[in-house]
Amino acid sequence: RKEVEQDPGPFNVPEGATVAFNCTYSNSASQSFFWYRQDCRKEPKLLMSVYSSGNEDGRFTAQLNRASQYISLLIRDSKLSDSATYLCVVNSATNAGKSTFGDGTTLTVKP
Amino acid sequence: SQTIHQWPATLVQPVGSPLSLECTVEGTSNPNLYWYRQAAGRGLQLLFYSVGIGQISSEVPQNLSASRPQDRQFILSSKKLLLSDSGFYLCAWSVKDSQETQYFGPGTRLLVL
Repeated sequence: RKEVEQDPGPFNVPEGATVAFNCTYSNSASQSFFWYRQDCRKEPKLLMSVYSSGNEDGRFTAQLNRASQYISLLIRDSKLSDSATYLCVVNSATNAGKSTFGDGTTLTVKP
Repeated sequence: SQTIHQWPATLVQPVGSPLSLECTVEGTSNPNLYWYRQAAGRGLQLLFYSVGIGQISSEVPQNLSASRPQDRQFILSSKKLLLSDSGFYLCAWSVKDSQETQYFGPGTRLLVL
């Protein structure tokens, strides 16, 4: 089993749709969590950190459930420009200095 | 502000040739540094990470090596490239704090023929 697992995707949604991605992690000692966005043939870029209380940035909402060991990303009112691969990332206190990346979920938003 | 540079952007090399990819970070000191490889359509694979000058940890056995001759310089090398070394090589840095958020360079796309 992978340390970090994401929805296999791909997700194909129309503009304006709401889409949610889930990510599960296996290491209960994990202490920080992130969502990254990667455009085709580009480097991953930090989208947002994920906090225990949940956090929102415009149309994006991230949630963390430590008991069930999963994080989620909700995108409301999808735009064409949201089309990308979304990577779930987990850092562990026992894995100092290293992040574990999920394989990513690809989102395509269509007109 | 911090910036991270990688070069070259693209590289086509014959099998058996040597490799040297360079990564430099500006605007921060004593960062953690990382080398990743991403095969086409796949996830990120951590190759090496470094917490300081001369301190390199290798994550997977391979014919690649890494060096950190200066605080903000990280070099990925190979003496003889294999076809399987083709991929997208990404360098990243992070501050040594509890979050250790990683920031990536633009990457080097390597094709070994």
